Parts: sequence; C-alpha cells; structure tokens
Amino acid sequence: EVQLVESGGGLVQPGRSLKLSCVASGFTFSNYGMNWIRQAPGKGLEWVAYISSGSSYIYYAETVKGRFTISRDNAKNTLYLQMTSLRSEDTALYYCARRQYYGPVMDAWGQGASVTVSS
Amino acid sequence: DIQMTQSPASLSASLGETVTIECRASEDIYSNLAWYQQKPGNSPQLLIYDANSLADGVPSRFSGSGSGTQYSLKINSLQSEDVASYFCQQYNNYPPWTFGGGTKLELK
Repeated sequence: EVQLVESGGGLVQPGRSLKLSCVASGFTFSNYGMNWIRQAPGKGLEWVAYISSGSSYIYYAETVKGRFTISRDNAKNTLYLQMTSLRSEDTALYYCARRQYYGPVMDAWGQGASVTVSS
Repeated sequence: DIQMTQSPASLSASLGETVTIECRASEDIYSNLAWYQQKPGNSPQLLIYDANSLADGVPSRFSGSGSGTQYSLKINSLQSEDVASYFCQQYNNYPPWTFGGGTKLELK
C-alpha cells in the first residue's frame, strides 16, 4: 500500500524557518517525481514545489521561490521542504504528493502537515 | 499561468441525483485536466485524469468530459459517500500546476 507520511509542522513566528519531511513507503520512491501542495484553512489547493526522481528538475511556485527549498533523499525514502522567511500567508496544510509514473498528475497524497505562521 | 475557474462553488443535491461540476481554463489545455475528490477531513484523491480517464478504484458513476477550455465532472446516482469538495487541475502548461477553486458538494 502506498503511504506518504508528513511531519515537521507546527506553530512558527513570522520570519522564522521550518522543515517538513515526508516519508514514503509501499512503492519505489526513487522512481517517482514528488510535489508539495498546500491548502490554506478553508481554501483551495496551491501547488508549491516539484522535484524529479533524481533531483535533476526542481520547480517552485512564484509565491515561495527564493524562500522554500525542496529536496529528497532516495536512500531514506524521504522528501523535504525547507521553509525560510515564513509569512502569515504560508499558513496551510502542506501535503506531499506523488507524481504519476507515466504522467504529470498527483496520484497519491499524504495526510498533510499543518503549518501556522503567527506571532 | 493558466487560470482555472470552477462552478458552482457549492452545490446541494439529493441521493440518486445526477450532479455536474464545470471547470473552465483560461486557454486551451488540450484535455490535460484532472479532477480530485477531497472528502471532509481527508487529503485529496485523484479521481479522473486526461479529462475522462478514471483513476484506479474510482466508481463508474463518475465521468469526465470536455475539450478546449471547457470541462465537466458528472456524478450519476449520487451516493452519500460522494459528499466532498472537488477540484480540477490543469497540467497542459506547467509549472505551475494550477487548480480550480473547488466545488463543495453537500446532500440536500
């Protein structure tokens, strides 16, 4: 069974940093591109970042470019999102999501990690 | 970036009814469209991709259609377990992958 389990969320002050992790199981993690997608409270979905299976291709949403860094450790089956210079508008539930093997859609999602940016 | 507009934002329907949700893209996305279902308190799940292909395990009462800039998700014979929010997503031109604002489906 495919499983994605996020961790590392919490309450953080504006301007501070936080690092999310997503541990994958039930599939060959190193074969799949991965995404971070967030959902502000009561709002829709916003794609945040993507990393290809071998980390050769990395993309960011304009809203987080220069502040967030996506990375992965295929030996540990783990995806990361390092978030710096956090703002109140970054408050959201952050999901890691697997890119479909043969296409660009997200075919598996974790349960999410909650990030609240507030003083 | 391609903008995705969904309608309606919320919808109330009865059990057994047929429901249709619309999604409009700001430009032609050539059927590169997915639908996701997010049940209350859960993470989104892939429902349909390539505008009309059902993801694994999705009941056949769900169907997708459309072309160009206009797409729709249809649910035949609405069941209680279909209460959820539904999001469309384009992947014709990415990054960024962009989502519609969502449609919240409730039972009448």
